[in-house]
Amino acid sequence: AQKVTQAQTEISVVEKEDVTLDCVYETRDTTYYLFWYKQPPSGELVFLIRRNSFDEQNEISGRYSWNFQKSTSSFNFTITASQVVDSAVYFCALSEARNAGNMLTFGGGTRLMVKP
Amino acid sequence: DVKVTQSSRYLVKRTGEKVFLECVQDMDHENMFWYRQDPGLGLRLIYFSYDVKMKEKGDIPEGYSVSREKKERFSLILESASTNQTSMYLCASSSPGRNTGELFFGEGSRLTVL
Repeated sequence: AQKVTQAQTEISVVEKEDVTLDCVYETRDTTYYLFWYKQPPSGELVFLIRRNSFDEQNEISGRYSWNFQKSTSSFNFTITASQVVDSAVYFCALSEARNAGNMLTFGGGTRLMVKP
Repeated sequence: DVKVTQSSRYLVKRTGEKVFLECVQDMDHENMFWYRQDPGLGLRLIYFSYDVKMKEKGDIPEGYSVSREKKERFSLILESASTNQTSMYLCASSSPGRNTGELFFGEGSRLTVL
């Protein structure tokens, strides 16, 4: 069975600080996908990134970066120079390829609060 | 602007009532999903539909059923609501293929069962 753990339930930072959201996953499959989603106060989850298990290259998109390490089964998300608009709940998720990558298992979420 | 629309943002129902949650997407997506979101538990999949009239159980289907008579519409039904079904319900859709796993979500329906 697959499982995603986000140990940090809530993080509070001051604007311009860097923050890393942790994600640890478990799966028996060798082919799988990892995701991050953002849920702002409006409630609508927004897709941020997808990684497949064969691509361990880190990715950077503006202030966002993701660190995928198969050796530790982790897929961590870093926001550099955080802003108030980054305040949201962030979810890490996993999908196994045998489900055609469609049935996602989500972690419990991390609530990020960025204070001005 | 692509959209997943859930019929009600907030509902209050009584124990034993039948509850319908409606979801419509305008992206011609094959896949549609119902998730339940509870604090600390994240999102848990209730049901998944990959085509009209097709459905698969997710992780927590007990107490729920679904209906997909048209491609754009996916309904979640609580036959006899109970207080432990008080939760936020999220509908999502996606298209299979190279954008696999990229789900588009509605704003959610917060259900309170008294």
